[in-house]
Amino acid sequence: DTEVTQTPKHLVMGMTNKKSLKCEQHMGHRAMYWYKQKAKKPPELMFVYSYEKLSINESVPSRFSPECPNSSLLNLHLHALQPEDSALYLCASSHGMRGSSYEQYFGPGTRLTVT
Amino acid sequence: QQQVKQSPQSLIVQKGGIPIINCAYENTAFDYFPWYQQFPGKGPALLIAIRPDVSEKKEGRFTISFNKSAKQFSLHIMDSQPGDSATYFCAASNNAGNMLTFGGGTRLMVKP
Repeated sequence: DTEVTQTPKHLVMGMTNKKSLKCEQHMGHRAMYWYKQKAKKPPELMFVYSYEKLSINESVPSRFSPECPNSSLLNLHLHALQPEDSALYLCASSHGMRGSSYEQYFGPGTRLTVT
Repeated sequence: QQQVKQSPQSLIVQKGGIPIINCAYENTAFDYFPWYQQFPGKGPALLIAIRPDVSEKKEGRFTISFNKSAKQFSLHIMDSQPGDSATYFCAASNNAGNMLTFGGGTRLMVKP
């Protein structure tokens, strides 16, 4: 099973709203990722969690706040977003351990629209 | 140093043709080269990947060719089908795969 699940599939929010995106995997992976993807562009890395600790933040604005409650779950809390933040938000996971498989598996994404 | 250049941006082939997508990289520390397939509105799906110790890897109709000295790798799709119409991304990584650097993507259309 190489499934990464994400909820919700679609989200429309106003600029003053607070919402959260959720991601879950049960592959025993210890690295989890958030990516942002604009239309016709490759995914852009936002955050990496390794063993439930934030290891990489690609200079993401503070209106995006990641959280890793346990090794299977990853959240992305959203607050005071801008219309240009509208995109497909992808979660991914991998083994994350040196010497192990490098494969990174993506979820289906959450299509976010900020109005 | 972290860039991966992918070409062409778009490609149209007839059913049964062999589309070829090329990628080039600069960072010699990269040691893992995956290809992802993405359909509209879906997440990227890992298609096939290669390490630099081999020059070719085949899985079903998909083949990666790897040229370490030229720092280039390519994806070939044999007997392409309309269902292969999607966007394809190459990527490269080191450091246990935690940092994937993606190419710009190729939109493939396979005509019936």
